[in-house]
Amino acid sequence: GEDVEQSLFLSVREGDSSVINCTYTDSSSTYLYWYKQEPGAGLQLLTYIFSNMDMKQDQRLTVLLNKKDKHLSLRIADTQTGDSAIYFCAPLRGSYNTDKLIFGTGTRLQVFP
Amino acid sequence: EAGVTQFPSHSVIEKGQTVTLRCDPISGHDNLYWYRRVMGKEIKFLLHFVKESKQDESGMPNNRFLAERTGGTYSTLKVQPAELEDSGVYFCASSPNRREQYFGPGTRLTVT
Repeated sequence: GEDVEQSLFLSVREGDSSVINCTYTDSSSTYLYWYKQEPGAGLQLLTYIFSNMDMKQDQRLTVLLNKKDKHLSLRIADTQTGDSAIYFCAPLRGSYNTDKLIFGTGTRLQVFP
Repeated sequence: EAGVTQFPSHSVIEKGQTVTLRCDPISGHDNLYWYRRVMGKEIKFLLHFVKESKQDESGMPNNRFLAERTGGTYSTLKVQPAELEDSGVYFCASSPNRREQYFGPGTRLTVT
């Protein structure tokens, strides 16, 4: 199966909360990231969580990590139309001298008024 | 502080031609990464530089791809000769500490 899996689409109403889910296979990932890609733009680092944490909050963003189930989620509170974008889950796979991000397919979030 | 820049933003070439992509990392970032996304697939790691040294090039698809980072500043990724399956978006990222990776806008490569 795929290393990192995400659902492809999520549609929410403006003002509601969005929850984007991700499952991964590599239990040795020390850091797990969320990136945002707006149309025509590059990848913007949104937030990340260290593997010994189970939750991290950063303003409207909450990251939850269930290491046992290898499940990561990103909650966006009070979702706005400007949040419409593709969101990528990306665990970091590392060794003593190098590391690489392993990306999921991305979840396209559409926010409607 | 300027972000990661990539040039060109878009390149259209014919099969068999050569293309060179350039990445300028954030100043002071020793770590530089190349990734690519080909049509319908996930973004995949290509290679990792620390300064001018290749730390990991396990993601390079074949010997038609050559990456360099002379002097440990900007990097180039050359594809020679280009094939149709090389079409996609090539991303560069840099990092000061191998934790946060900051991405450039990408170069869209179209091989016809």
